[in-house]
Amino acid sequence: SQKIEQNSEALNIQEGKTATLTCNYTNYSPAYLQWYRQDPGRGPVFLLLIRENEKEKRKERLKVTFDTTLKQSLFHITASQPADSATYLCALDDNYGQNFVFGPGTRLSVLP
Amino acid sequence: DARVTQTPRHKVTEMGQEVTMRCQPILGHNTVFWYRQTMMQGLELLAYFRNRAPLDDSGMPKDRFSAEMPDATLATLKIQPSEPRDSAVYFCASGSGEHYNEQFFGPGTRLTVL
Repeated sequence: SQKIEQNSEALNIQEGKTATLTCNYTNYSPAYLQWYRQDPGRGPVFLLLIRENEKEKRKERLKVTFDTTLKQSLFHITASQPADSATYLCALDDNYGQNFVFGPGTRLSVLP
Repeated sequence: DARVTQTPRHKVTEMGQEVTMRCQPILGHNTVFWYRQTMMQGLELLAYFRNRAPLDDSGMPKDRFSAEMPDATLATLKIQPSEPRDSAVYFCASGSGEHYNEQFFGPGTRLTVL
């Protein structure tokens, strides 16, 4: 069956460290993968999109990798800050279909 | 600045009642998505429109849910009759171009069905 998993429900790290979040998928062949941030009581906010032929994408302190062989995307936040505390969702395009599927999310807490 | 708006923000209703949620996509966006978010199931796609035409509503329970776009500035999601298991936050999102492009989410409608 098709499944998207994100490494853990919650991740705590110390301010200044690099946070690494994992998104693994099974039985999908996505052409695109996106990462969103969601704060409590708000809708998700788009962060980055990466295509299947791109290995890595960067935006300021954010870096995303996409390994279609491992069926995995890694999301990194360098020099993390307490303001980065939120839930991070990966989402993937279902093989050129009309379906767009979100992972369960990882709640990141950056401790001062 | 441009943003997706949703009304109402909160709705409490009794089982069996009709619920209508409204969404105003960002002007110029041609794709509209309806999602439902719960603690147990996460964010689930219910329906997807492009240029006001429904392209995918396979995630939506057809017997009680319906989604429409009467015009380019309004999308609606109706539940009739509502059930307690429909309690969730319903998000509308809009985008332009292909469905895999960046989606702009509204603030959501928190629905509680008693």
